[in-house]
Amino acid sequence: DAKTTQPPSMDCAEGRAANLPCNHSTISGNEYVYWYRQIHSQGPQYIIHGLKNNETNEMASLIITEDRKSSTLILPHATLRDTAVYYCIVRVEQAGTALIFGKGTTLSVSS
Amino acid sequence: KAGVTQTPRYLIKTRGQQVTLSCSPISGHRSVSWYQQTPGQGLQFLFEYFSETQRNKGNFPGRFSGRQFSNSRSEMNVSTLELGDSALYLCASSLRWRGNTEAFFGQGTRLTVV
Repeated sequence: DAKTTQPPSMDCAEGRAANLPCNHSTISGNEYVYWYRQIHSQGPQYIIHGLKNNETNEMASLIITEDRKSSTLILPHATLRDTAVYYCIVRVEQAGTALIFGKGTTLSVSS
Repeated sequence: KAGVTQTPRYLIKTRGQQVTLSCSPISGHRSVSWYQQTPGQGLQFLFEYFSETQRNKGNFPGRFSGRQFSNSRSEMNVSTLELGDSALYLCASSLRWRGNTEAFFGQGTRLTVV
């Protein structure tokens, strides 16, 4: 079973920041937080991951709370093409590449 | 470089038949994993392969099997197809099996069982 909890849906206006929360209160010390997204009928796409420090790449920023029980994915300037299902996944990197997906958050970006 | 290639993209089979799906990972990637996606169950992990060995398996019946070849290409097979096997089957490749590695997904094979 997935070890994360996400809101089922969120809305965001185009050009605004999208902040997607994820709860992972039972996360272990060696588990990383990964984010993927899936645009309709396509394969999931990797976004970002982190252990305990905040991370940023060209797509997004990941903010992990100090106690690591929750995190927030930030899309700084959402566009219509960011409309997708976003999955937050915790993963032990030494346990293999398997990803256990939950239901994710459907982000709808509108103009 | 080329991404993950899955063939065929679409497939229609009759209940009771068997089917084989193919996945060619990104060049240099040695780990391949398979997922099933249905509207009811979402994305579910099937199994993963590294160095031609199955490393992990999800909670699926024995009708679902797979293998990996020496060139890292992988196939999955479903025997005695049931209507409930209708799904999008996704393959993902990773550079390594363990460690800090992201998974790259293919476009999937849409299987319809009638």
